[in-house]
Amino acid sequence: QKEVEQDPGPLSVPEGAIVSLNCTYSNSAFQYFMWYRQYSRKGPELLMYTYSSGNKEDGRFTAQVDKSSKYISLFIRDSQPSDSATYLCAPIKAAGNKLTFGGGTRVLVKP
Amino acid sequence: DTGVSQNPRHKITKRGQNVTFRCDPISEHNRLYWYRQTLGQGPEFLTYFQNEAQLEKSRLLSDRFSAERPKGSFSTLEIQRTEQGDSAMYLCASSEGWLSGRLNEQFFGPGTRLTVL
Repeated sequence: QKEVEQDPGPLSVPEGAIVSLNCTYSNSAFQYFMWYRQYSRKGPELLMYTYSSGNKEDGRFTAQVDKSSKYISLFIRDSQPSDSATYLCAPIKAAGNKLTFGGGTRVLVKP
Repeated sequence: DTGVSQNPRHKITKRGQNVTFRCDPISEHNRLYWYRQTLGQGPEFLTYFQNEAQLEKSRLLSDRFSAERPKGSFSTLEIQRTEQGDSAMYLCASSEGWLSGRLNEQFFGPGTRLTVL
């Protein structure tokens, strides 16, 4: 079993819909929970992160972490075609050096 | 452009050949990472450097793989006797390292796509 699991999708939504993405993980030592966005044939770019449990909002994006259930979520409000990409969750230990990526969820926002 | 750069962007080689990739990190970053990403999967950690010292290597980094960062600036990743299973995107990232109260954000380059025929 992989340390970090994501549904690969694809997840297809109409423009303006809310996109809901999630990850589960198994390592209790993870403290920071990153979400990366990756466009086709590009490197991942950091969208946002949360520390420990809780919510964090950044514009149209909201990240949630529930450490008790080892469950991570990302919500995208008012989705745009430019949000079409693969979204990768990547937890990391405090002071760690190795990002442990999920397999990514491919999102397609249709105009 | 002051981001992470990687060269070449694409490499096609025949099985058994050696290949070398280069990564130039963001100039003030002392940490440099290599990841490998196969189609439909997330990146997998290979190794990382702090300055010129290679401090951690994944078990994915077989004896055919070697990485260097001779002067603590750019890094090279060499694969000897390539196999078809080596076909992947090789991603480089750099960071400042952990500072008190600040996340060790890793900034990724565009990757080198390797195809082994």
